[in-house]
Amino acid sequence: DAGITQSPRHKVTETGTPVTLRCHQTENHRYMYWYRQDPGHGLRLIHYSYGVKDTDKGEVSDGYSVSRSKTEDFLLTLESATSSQTSVYFCAISGTDQETQYFGPGTRLLVL
Amino acid sequence: QQPVQSPQAVILREGEDAVINCSSSKALYSVHWYRQKHGEAPVFLMILLKGGEQKGHDKISASFNEKKQQSSLYLTASQLSYSGTYFCGTGGNYGGSQGNLIFGKGTKLSVKP
Repeated sequence: DAGITQSPRHKVTETGTPVTLRCHQTENHRYMYWYRQDPGHGLRLIHYSYGVKDTDKGEVSDGYSVSRSKTEDFLLTLESATSSQTSVYFCAISGTDQETQYFGPGTRLLVL
Repeated sequence: QQPVQSPQAVILREGEDAVINCSSSKALYSVHWYRQKHGEAPVFLMILLKGGEQKGHDKISASFNEKKQQSSLYLTASQLSYSGTYFCGTGGNYGGSQGNLIFGKGTKLSVKP
């Protein structure tokens, strides 16, 4: 299994509060991704990174920001959480954008 | 353009076969197949590349029809462990770069004893 961890694994927060999710990898992969998974929608890309300090938006980036200061860590921040951001968040990694992505265990976020 | 998977759900008895399809409206460079069990992360099954060979391991195989922009996943003699939701992720070809994968909504497969 690829060495990917996510923290926290579960979080309950209130509307309007900031939330940061962390993805940590030990594979030294260049590409890292954040997805959200909701019933009926499948996996949707939020943001991705193709190197340290190199990030770009995905399909559903509104309300989210990311940062990558080290190869191994990719942070996803909800600046002001809303109930519509209640979801399961998955981090994924790959060596290049041509290669298979490997997923972390996921973070279940509930925004009340 | 999210790929379309069919069927949305299928119920099988152990030992039966199933086919899951993934179709895209745009030219594809690659198709990635994943299986996700309830409450777990998606797990990679196989990747098919344009011009490549049909892939397979054990009793799960897949094909990639580049002209039709389709891929099919074949599950033969299904086992209880095959139950889960299957996703395809499609990659295009933009100036030599695959770009990001776009995932279908998934096909829920249930295998009954």
